[in-house]
Amino acid sequence: GENVEQHPSTLSVQEGDSAVIKCTYSDSASNYFPWYKQELGKRPQLIIDIRSNVGEKKDQRIAVTLNKTAKHFSLHITETQPEDSAVYFCAARRDDKIIFGKGTRLHILP
Amino acid sequence: GEEVAQTPKHLVRGEGQKAKLYCAPIKGHSYVFWYQQVLKNEFKFLISFQNENVFDETGMPKERFSAKCLPNSPCSLEIQATKLEDSAVYFCASSQSHSGANVLTFGAGSRLTVL
Repeated sequence: GENVEQHPSTLSVQEGDSAVIKCTYSDSASNYFPWYKQELGKRPQLIIDIRSNVGEKKDQRIAVTLNKTAKHFSLHITETQPEDSAVYFCAARRDDKIIFGKGTRLHILP
Repeated sequence: GEEVAQTPKHLVRGEGQKAKLYCAPIKGHSYVFWYQQVLKNEFKFLISFQNENVFDETGMPKERFSAKCLPNSPCSLEIQATKLEDSAVYFCASSQSHSGANVLTFGAGSRLTVL
């Protein structure tokens, strides 16, 4: 079955700097890779996603890159702001199942 | 509705008691997923449904956990004889279809506390 590894588990960056979170997956049949942001006590919210036929996608300060050959994908947040502090989850989906990484707790330092 | 609706928001049970959680998916969404999130934040997949049919139940601890999605009723997740380690937030999510590109939308979660 699919296995999704996410690193780092915790990340602290200075406000204004960039943050990068990386994930690897094991099932080459996975074809959809969403990223969710979960603030304390709240539900996960989709922030960006990428399909397997695309290598990169950008939405304002957030971008995701996908390397299908290496089976890894990354989330990039530029010009980080205090409201970016949260837990971020990557996921890989193949039709009937979506498997999440273990999450990265991002701290934005003032 | 336009949101995945989960009830109750918080449920407290004594060890050994039964717990039942409910989820109404977004109207028009055929797929429902249940996840368990414990303190470490990891999402553990439990079970998924396509309409009222179980789609994948590989994550379910079958001896005490059961789930249903019946027509014209909210989906439910039931835990018989709860244990302390069942304390977690249980998230329900729905999607329009199972094809890879369809977004999974989460409910607000139901926090189960087993004392």
